[in-house]
Amino acid sequence: DAKTTQPPSMDCAEGRAANLPCNHSTISGNEYVYWYRQIHSQGPQYIIHGLKNNETNEMASLIITEDRKSSTLILPHATLRDTAVYYCIVRVSPKTNAGNMLTFGGGTRLMVKP
Amino acid sequence: SAVISQKPSRDICQRGTSLTIQCQVDSQVTMMFWYRQQPGQSLTLIATANQGSEATYESGFVIDKFPISRPNLTFSTLTVSNMSPEDSSIYLCSVWEYPSNYGYTFGSGTRLTVV
Repeated sequence: DAKTTQPPSMDCAEGRAANLPCNHSTISGNEYVYWYRQIHSQGPQYIIHGLKNNETNEMASLIITEDRKSSTLILPHATLRDTAVYYCIVRVSPKTNAGNMLTFGGGTRLMVKP
Repeated sequence: SAVISQKPSRDICQRGTSLTIQCQVDSQVTMMFWYRQQPGQSLTLIATANQGSEATYESGFVIDKFPISRPNLTFSTLTVSNMSPEDSSIYLCSVWEYPSNYGYTFGSGTRLTVV
């Protein structure tokens, strides 16, 4: 699975958009970009994933560059409860190869401040 | 998505003893996994729990230390054997359901402290 690079920490003001970048320059054509977050003392929570098109759901938006070498997770109106570690993970669809589990990097610690 | 119940949620254990952690899922799932998260660190995969056969362990993890069972498609256990303070971590169960192309679901974890 491709390796990802994320900033170790970011701050965001409550109510503002939080934009979390991720670099994955060695991504392969069949690899998806997945985002998870881990709120303190909880298990990781799935947020969103995408292959090449931008995606949006009730939690966030995912913007993937045209060359697919980087992406940005956008929390449109960050709240204090969005304070967490956010992990960007690149891997093939589990339907293609479920045997390869998720590989977690260091993630970005997002601090939402009042 | 599947709902995972992981027990116990936390425990404090004496060194040299063993603890068995249970992972119960509310539906049949294709894949079950066990992770470890050491203090202040990211998650590390311990093993894939295979139904009816031996688990598949990642490098650095061995069956004698972390025996795993998976008797059916909804249940798995992880035992941390002969514990030492270095085993103090959060242990997490994770599942994936076929044919979902979505994310993996994680339990809330077991916070283990070895004294």
